[in-house]
Amino acid sequence: GENVEQHPSTLSVQEGDSAVIKCTYSDSASNYFPWYKQELGKGPQLIIDIRSNVGEKKDQRIAVTLNKTAKHFSLHITETQPEDSAVYFCAASIAFGTGTRLQVTL
Amino acid sequence: NAGVTQTPKFRILKIGQSMTLQCTQDMNHNYMYWYRQDPGMGLKLIYYSVGAGITDKGEVPNGYNVSRSTTEDFPLRLELAAPSQTSVYFCASSYPRGADDEQFFGPGTRLTVL
Repeated sequence: GENVEQHPSTLSVQEGDSAVIKCTYSDSASNYFPWYKQELGKGPQLIIDIRSNVGEKKDQRIAVTLNKTAKHFSLHITETQPEDSAVYFCAASIAFGTGTRLQVTL
Repeated sequence: NAGVTQTPKFRILKIGQSMTLQCTQDMNHNYMYWYRQDPGMGLKLIYYSVGAGITDKGEVPNGYNVSRSTTEDFPLRLELAAPSQTSVYFCASSYPRGADDEQFFGPGTRLTVL
């Protein structure tokens, strides 16, 4: 089955800096790559997704890039704010990575 | 719309007891999923359903059972609870492309088996 690896497991950045989270996947047939944000005590919520026919997608401060040849995709958050602090999960379809705990410090 | 609702929010079970985790969605989604989330381990798929009357195993189905008699409900049954089943359980639904579309998650059920 699909195997998704996610790095780093924890990430601390100062407010206003950028944060990058990287994921790799194993199944070349995968074509849907969502990113979810999970706040404490809540279920994950989709923040952005990308399909295999697109190399990059942006939504305000959040962007995702996809390299199908190398089978990796990344989440980029610019101008980080304290409310960006949460756990972020990448997924290839319904196979999830292990999560990245992002802490934005003042 | 309430989205995806789960009950109970918290439960403590003794080893060997059984229970059913309830999940209901009011979005008329065909696809529904059960995941478990262990600390630092991401989400593991337990079972999923592509429509009423159809269920299939995910990555970690042992010790669990599901049924899908209606589009709205997808209960997860634990038989003979074991400490290894201590986890947070999330139910999710999606539409229309199933695994290739956004999943909507419930708030989770935190289960402890002692």
